[in-house]
Amino acid sequence: GAVVSQHPSRVICKSGTSVKIECRSLDFQATTMFWYRQFPKQSLMLMATSNEGSKATYEQGVEKDKFLINHASLTLSTLTVTSAHPEDSSFYICSARIPTNEKLFFGSGTQLSVL
Amino acid sequence: KQEVTQIPAALSVPEGENLVLNCSFTDSAIYNLQWFRQDPGKGLTSLLLIQSSQREQTSGRLNASLDKSSGRSTLYIAASQPGDSATYLCAVNPDKLIFGTGTRLQVFP
Repeated sequence: GAVVSQHPSRVICKSGTSVKIECRSLDFQATTMFWYRQFPKQSLMLMATSNEGSKATYEQGVEKDKFLINHASLTLSTLTVTSAHPEDSSFYICSARIPTNEKLFFGSGTQLSVL
Repeated sequence: KQEVTQIPAALSVPEGENLVLNCSFTDSAIYNLQWFRQDPGKGLTSLLLIQSSQREQTSGRLNASLDKSSGRSTLYIAASQPGDSATYLCAVNPDKLIFGTGTRLQVFP
């Protein structure tokens, strides 16, 4: 099956720093990728839809300037959490859709802890 | 606004039991419904995808049904094993995935 690689798997940073998370589709081209966040014991919430070569579409309530998304190629999307604060601590997961298939394939997630 | 609910929230059963996990959604206008498995601290694995025109899908010991008109789906797990312990999420797709709250399953030997 399709593989989506997400790095890093875990990051601990100081408040005020920026953190970049990468999401790669390893064996297919993904014109669309999605970014989710998940708080403990809660379900996934869609943050934004990342489209290759164009601006990301953010869900209501998600700050564009805080969560920067770049989808510069058909196999890579990045999420940068700028000026991270403790309330940004969460589990972030990316997913990608194969153009000819409606199934979504998910990365392994990134646990962000902001001290 | 589409809302997805899963019942029960948690389930603990002995090995070998047959299980039914429930998922309900408020708006029947969906393209498909997916069931996922999530292991602690990990990403999601797609288990089954049911198109809106389909009634059920099967994969190994898993069977998922869909009744779009009543806004319900069930995931049936036959002969449960300890390795099935995980959180199971359903998600409906009107135009983007909307996830349920999940069912945390524990199967003990």
